[in-house]
Amino acid sequence: QVQLQESGPGRVKASETLALTCTVSGGSISGYYWSWIRQPPGEGLLWIGYISYSGSPYYNPSLKSRVSISVDTSKNQISLRLSSVTAADTAVYYCARVPVGDLHLDYWGQGTLVTVSS
Amino acid sequence: QTVVTQEPSFSVSPGGTVTLTCGLTSGSVSTTYYPSWYQQTPGQAPRTLIYSTNTRSSGVPDRFSGSILGNKAALTITGAQADDESDYYCVLFMGSGFPVFGGGTKLTVL
Repeated sequence: QVQLQESGPGRVKASETLALTCTVSGGSISGYYWSWIRQPPGEGLLWIGYISYSGSPYYNPSLKSRVSISVDTSKNQISLRLSSVTAADTAVYYCARVPVGDLHLDYWGQGTLVTVSS
Repeated sequence: QTVVTQEPSFSVSPGGTVTLTCGLTSGSVSTTYYPSWYQQTPGQAPRTLIYSTNTRSSGVPDRFSGSILGNKAALTITGAQADDESDYYCVLFMGSGFPVFGGGTKLTVL
């Protein structure tokens, strides 16, 4: 069974960089797109971006100037970095898998809450 | 900028049928947008229900079905149950290739 687990600091100071890691177990990173999605408290879901297993990233235009997603196939990990954070970046951050050629989110992590403090 | 639209809220009686929709502020939804649907209860990660318009994800009851109705993608719940009370989100893969979530529909079963 494929499992995704997000990890990283639960609190980040404003203006600093948020950094999260998603560790994939029970399956290979190859052959899939890997996504980061966030959900501010009480709000809807926002797709931050996704990366192919070969390392080509695609970012939400609204965050593109501040976001970076990378993949480490040797560790089965996908990383998210979001720079210059503000309170508006406080959210639950999810990683999720997208099968290539069958575009949908088939496996999700449990999510991790990141709070931006002043 | 084209926005993905969903009804903010909907209500259905237990045992009833409800159809939630997923549209665009400009243009029509077709199968080429790979519409998918996700169910989320408070405090939980979303669960995949439907993908590629009408394919049920593994383990999803057949009372959930997906389709294209007119110019929108649709999720129909037939024989609604109390535990179907959740938030429902659709996703469309836009022409740019980037996926966009709808704003979500809060479904009440009462």
